[in-house]
Amino acid sequence: GAVVSQHPSWVICKSGTSVKIECRSLDFQATTMFWYRQFPKQSLMLMATSNEGSKATYEQGVEKDKFLINHASLTLSTLTVTSAHPEDSSFYICSARDFPRPSGDATNEKLFFGSGTQLSVL
Amino acid sequence: DAKTTQPPSMDCAEGRAANLPCNHSTISGNEYVYWYRQIHSQGPQYIIHGLKNNETNEMASLIITEDRKSSTLILPHATLRDTAVYYCIVRALSGTYKYIFGTGTRLKVLA
Repeated sequence: GAVVSQHPSWVICKSGTSVKIECRSLDFQATTMFWYRQFPKQSLMLMATSNEGSKATYEQGVEKDKFLINHASLTLSTLTVTSAHPEDSSFYICSARDFPRPSGDATNEKLFFGSGTQLSVL
Repeated sequence: DAKTTQPPSMDCAEGRAANLPCNHSTISGNEYVYWYRQIHSQGPQYIIHGLKNNETNEMASLIITEDRKSSTLILPHATLRDTAVYYCIVRALSGTYKYIFGTGTRLKVLA
């Protein structure tokens, strides 16, 4: 299957600092990427949908000024947690939509996930 | 909100088939059923998806009922490495393209 690389895999930072997480689709172009967060023993919660070349769409309750998303190319999306606080500590996971080309047949579309980033804010 | 209901946990003996049910009674005609699994502290892994016909690949089989209101993921010969949380997701292939995860089933394969 397609490969999505997420970096860093873990990060520890001080309260008030900003942290950037990168998500790359290595062997396919992803016009759409999704960002999730996950708390221990809970399911994945969708934070935002990132579309290449346009502004991200945030889910209700997710602060867009807190979680800045940039999707400047077809293979890279970044999530920046600004002025991080301990309550932002979580497992963040990116995913990229592999939309089959050139057929454009969406019936075989799949979503591939990065390995996740564990953020700990002290 | 997630459109699926799954049992919170299941056990399965190693080497036996694991049958994981999913209820999606409000599924629409243009919505597919996707299955993913997440092994501890990793990103989810794609398993299989289908619309209305049964599907099989190298990992699993997907059985969808005729009315499409429920489905079952079958791991034919479960191994210890299949211990994971399994998520059933319903999504359309048009519109917002969102993948919304429910609570999933925590499958434990026992030696």
